[in-house]
Amino acid sequence: EDQVTQSPEALRLQEGESSSLNCSYTVSGLRGLFWYRQDPGKGPEFLFTLYSAGEEKEKERLKATLTKKESFLHITAPKPEDSATYLCAVQDLSNDYKLSFGAGTTVTVRA
Amino acid sequence: ETGVTQSPTHLIKTRGQQVTLRCSSQSGHNTVSWYQQALGQGPQFIFQYYREEENGRGNFPPRFSGLQFPNYSSELNVNALELDDSALYLCASSISGSNYGYTFGSGTRLTVV
Repeated sequence: EDQVTQSPEALRLQEGESSSLNCSYTVSGLRGLFWYRQDPGKGPEFLFTLYSAGEEKEKERLKATLTKKESFLHITAPKPEDSATYLCAVQDLSNDYKLSFGAGTTVTVRA
Repeated sequence: ETGVTQSPTHLIKTRGQQVTLRCSSQSGHNTVSWYQQALGQGPQFIFQYYREEENGRGNFPPRFSGLQFPNYSSELNVNALELDDSALYLCASSISGSNYGYTFGSGTRLTVV
């Protein structure tokens, strides 16, 4: 069964203090790895999809990278509006109808 | 382009009752999935519908059932509600076979008392 583990559970940053979130995964065959942002009481908002080891994608202050066993979400010079829970999910080739999510990392950025 | 809309936004039900949650998919999307998200946890896959038929199911009992309509809107029905069914229920739409991500709605917060 697919497994996704995110660390740390929570991260408190000062504005401008860069950091990284980790997503470790186990799948039989990776179709895609997804990063989502979720604000309290809202649904997940799509950020990135990564498909193969070595792939990188960027959006504003966020950069996602992928290896064969884990993905990192790097937050560069964060601002308070980057405060949210960041969710990682994998889609397995053998059952590509679903996403398997980790529990998320809650990021708080203080001004 | 409209996103995924869900109704109602909040709902309180009594244990043993039945509930129906509704979802309108994003325009152009033909696949709808439902997820359950307990507080502090990641979303858990319930099932997916494509062409009005269940296309895959997670580890949820049969009292969780669904429908997809010709216009790609969808319903999630839960019978015999239990206290542990209290959660945020998320609907996500996508295009079958595409490499684009799923678009999620804002969810329905269900509280069972």
